[in-house]
Amino acid sequence: KAGVTQTPRYLIKTRGQQVTLSCSPISGHRSVSWYQQTPGQGLQFLFEYFSETQRNKGNFPGRFSGRQFSNSRSEMNVSTLELGDSALYLCASSMGTGSGDEQFFGPGTRLTVL
Amino acid sequence: AQSVSQHNHHVILSEAASLELGCNYSYGGTVNLFWYVQYPGQHLQLLLKYFSGDPLVKGIKGFEAEFIKSKFSFNLRKPSVQWSDTAEYFCAVMNTGFQKLVFGTGTRLLVSP
Repeated sequence: KAGVTQTPRYLIKTRGQQVTLSCSPISGHRSVSWYQQTPGQGLQFLFEYFSETQRNKGNFPGRFSGRQFSNSRSEMNVSTLELGDSALYLCASSMGTGSGDEQFFGPGTRLTVL
Repeated sequence: AQSVSQHNHHVILSEAASLELGCNYSYGGTVNLFWYVQYPGQHLQLLLKYFSGDPLVKGIKGFEAEFIKSKFSFNLRKPSVQWSDTAEYFCAVMNTGFQKLVFGTGTRLLVSP
């Protein structure tokens, strides 16, 4: 069974640009969550999508957005990039049954903002 | 808001030493608890999880954790560490019914051969 895949693995952007990251969940998983990992703030929850709807949201500005497609694949978009957005962005998938089931993480996309 | 505290940021042990990593969370409701591990160059992997039942849970690679509800704690233990256990360990909590993990700041474990 293939794991969670994320593309691209590495990205370099400049301030003010926007970026789109992609995540393909494990087959059969309907929930996709996104996390930001930085040395200073650690792992922080961005948002979660289930059946194409945002179900949970973290405390990030509106520049961070996402969506989910009918095949459960998800994209995350960051507009007007700032230096502080440099981070490892992790995607996790789960069945999403709501009983706190296990999340499986992808390898992440490392975003560098210059 | 929920929070998770991991008391040790860096731990250095020799092989065969025993390990205990502390984790405390702040939430009074029903929670699910997790320990994840991130080996160098690899992605986050689940070590073990607690949902309900026996508060002593066993995970992969000889790890175990004990949920003590009265202390809001979920400490990770291993009786004898190996060099291959060198990694960063994260404790996480999730409200039952929500798919949002709240992570601790992580503990970097270095095991010297």
